[in-house]
Amino acid sequence: DQQVKQNSPSLSVQEGRISILNCDYTNSMFDYFLWYKKYPAEGPTFLISISSIKDKNEDGRFTVFLNKSAKHLSLHIVPSQPGDSAVYFCAASEEGYGKLTFGQGTILTVHP
Amino acid sequence: EAQVTQNPRYLITVTGKKLTVTCSQNMNHEYMSWYRQDPGLGLRQIYYSMNVEVTDKGDVPEGYKVSRKEKRNFPLILESPSPNQTSLYFCASSLGGGDEQFFGPGTRLTVL
Repeated sequence: DQQVKQNSPSLSVQEGRISILNCDYTNSMFDYFLWYKKYPAEGPTFLISISSIKDKNEDGRFTVFLNKSAKHLSLHIVPSQPGDSAVYFCAASEEGYGKLTFGQGTILTVHP
Repeated sequence: EAQVTQNPRYLITVTGKKLTVTCSQNMNHEYMSWYRQDPGLGLRQIYYSMNVEVTDKGDVPEGYKVSRKEKRNFPLILESPSPNQTSLYFCASSLGGGDEQFFGPGTRLTVL
């Protein structure tokens, strides 16, 4: 049972445009959400997070939006740069439980 | 430099030959975890540890063992590896269970 789903395996965007990566979850007990970025031959690195008490969090070019009623979160990257090309994973956790549950990942390609 | 290290980075072995993948972190993190990454399935948690001598099963623990005898180390043990354990393995650590996790560079394991 996949509790965190990223339904788009890949996304292709032109440099300078907006990239929108989506993530859905089914467990209503999740209260903290994170996005990770992964380059080939490296481990995932933390990008941005959001608590369930917020609906938006910004960090430079990266913004995460959370819609709790729809159990949906999205990551916006604007403007997109070729260096953003990577696999993006969303993850969720439940307070008090020692685990992160990850989605399948979305491959983002930003074309110059 | 704060980091999570894993060894070996690459390993080819045969079915049934016991192996250990080591993981070490220098950030004094209490929480450590092992994941495997497979195409289309994202990152799935194998085992995690909230602290020394405290370990628990993740989503896919079958065929794996772990131990946490000291805070910095969290080895992953495959007592009798099988071909379906061919995968890319990541170790991660964090201050707490649901916090931002720092990942190692990965270990690519092939079981023939």
